[in-house]
Amino acid sequence: EIVMTQSPATLSVSPGERATLSCRASQSVSSNLAWYQQKPGQAPRLLIYGASTRATGIPARFSGSGSGTEFTLTISSLQSEDFAVYYCQQYNNWPLTFGQGTKLEIK
Amino acid sequence: EVQLVESGGGLVQPGRSLRLSCAASGFTFDDYAMHWVRQAPGKGLEWVSGISWNSGSIGYADSVKGRFTISRDNAKNSLYLQMNSLRAEDTALYYCAKDDWFDPWGQGTLVTVSS
Repeated sequence: EIVMTQSPATLSVSPGERATLSCRASQSVSSNLAWYQQKPGQAPRLLIYGASTRATGIPARFSGSGSGTEFTLTISSLQSEDFAVYYCQQYNNWPLTFGQGTKLEIK
Repeated sequence: EVQLVESGGGLVQPGRSLRLSCAASGFTFDDYAMHWVRQAPGKGLEWVSGISWNSGSIGYADSVKGRFTISRDNAKNSLYLQMNSLRAEDTALYYCAKDDWFDPWGQGTLVTVSS
C-alpha cells in the first residue's frame, strides 16, 4: 500500500497570502495524484487531477505541481472561501490512498 | 450532469449486515471503474473498495476485506456494497465515486454501527 503523507497538518495563513501544501508518497505514483477541498458539512470537491490539471470550474489561483513522490498544492492568493481541509489522493495503484489532510485556517 | 446518489445507510447493531446502493446518471456508467470511499465522524477520507468497469478487477481495503463485497449492475447504472459483520469502527459517511479521481461526489449515506 502506498502511504500518502501531507504536511503540515495545520497551516495558518492570512487572506491574500500564498499557501503551499505538501504531499509525499511512499513510492512513486507518477503523476497520478489528485487534490480535494472539503469544507465542514460538505462532500469533498475535486481541485486537481494528474498532479497539475485543474478540474472544471476551479479558479486559476489553485495550482498543482510535482511528480513521482513529491507534490505541492499552491493557492496563490487566499480568499475567505479557501479555508478548508485539503486532501491528496494517489490513484496509481490499488488500494487508492489518501493523505491525512491539511487544515488551512485563517491567521 | 453527472450524479451519484447513495442510499441504504442507517443504524445497525454490531455483527449485522447492510447493503448500500449508488444510483449513477449523466455518464456512460460501464465506461468507468467505481469506488466506495468512507469518512468516519471527524476523520479523514478512506478508500473502501473499487470495481473495474466489467467487474474483472476488484479491490478492498484491508480493514474491510472478507466482510464487504462490492458489485455493480451496468444495466441498472448501479453500484452496491454489501457490508457484513459490521463493527463500530465501520461507522462513517459512505460515498460512491466515479473513476480513479473522484468528481463529483454524492451526498453520501450514513452508516452507524451501534448497539
